[in-house]
Amino acid sequence: DAGVIQSPRHEVTEMGQEVTLRCKPISGHNSLFWYRQTMMRGLELLIYFNNNVPIDDSGMPEDRFSAKMPNASFSTLKIQPSEPRDSAVYFCASSLEGPLSEQYFGPGTRLTVT
Amino acid sequence: GESVGLHLPTLSVQEGDNSIINCAYSNSASDYFIWYKQESGKGPQFIIDIRSNMDKRQGQRVTVLLNKTVKHLSLQIAATQPGDSAVYFCAERGAGGKLIFGQGTELSVKP
Repeated sequence: DAGVIQSPRHEVTEMGQEVTLRCKPISGHNSLFWYRQTMMRGLELLIYFNNNVPIDDSGMPEDRFSAKMPNASFSTLKIQPSEPRDSAVYFCASSLEGPLSEQYFGPGTRLTVT
Repeated sequence: GESVGLHLPTLSVQEGDNSIINCAYSNSASDYFIWYKQESGKGPQFIIDIRSNMDKRQGQRVTVLLNKTVKHLSLQIAATQPGDSAVYFCAERGAGGKLIFGQGTELSVKP
């Protein structure tokens, strides 16, 4: 298996622009997680899906952030409009069944908003 | 509230020595803990886990110790190798099963 796939690996954009991060979970995994990692706050869960349904989005910072999972093999995290403080590494992870099973992380997308 | 923190932000060891990375947690109700390894430019990778009904669990060259009395978790790496150089995170399973990560400890192995 190729593992969790994320794209792009790096994204540089200007403040105010829309940013879309993409994730393909491991085939057969029912749960998908979006995390954000910064030096100041460490690794934080933003949202997770189970069977394509958002279960817990309490970590989503504000309305500028939205996430979708239209099918079992694809998810997006969108930031609109982006701000410099959104600069971070965004990780996607998947697990067989919910947060109680082992999570496998993707390589991350490094986002820089200037 | 729930929080997980690390005692040492950096740790430098000689190749072949044993490493000990420490972690403190605040929620005495937490029932599950995980150690992750994150190499530069990569996502966190599962190393070993432990449930709260255990005090110790061993893997290949790694041992996790849990002291519930003082809410302390440690990761021991035997015969540390250059390939062990990475940032190590402890994570605590909080309400709803959500993982709460510590800030991380950077382990540097000198050849």
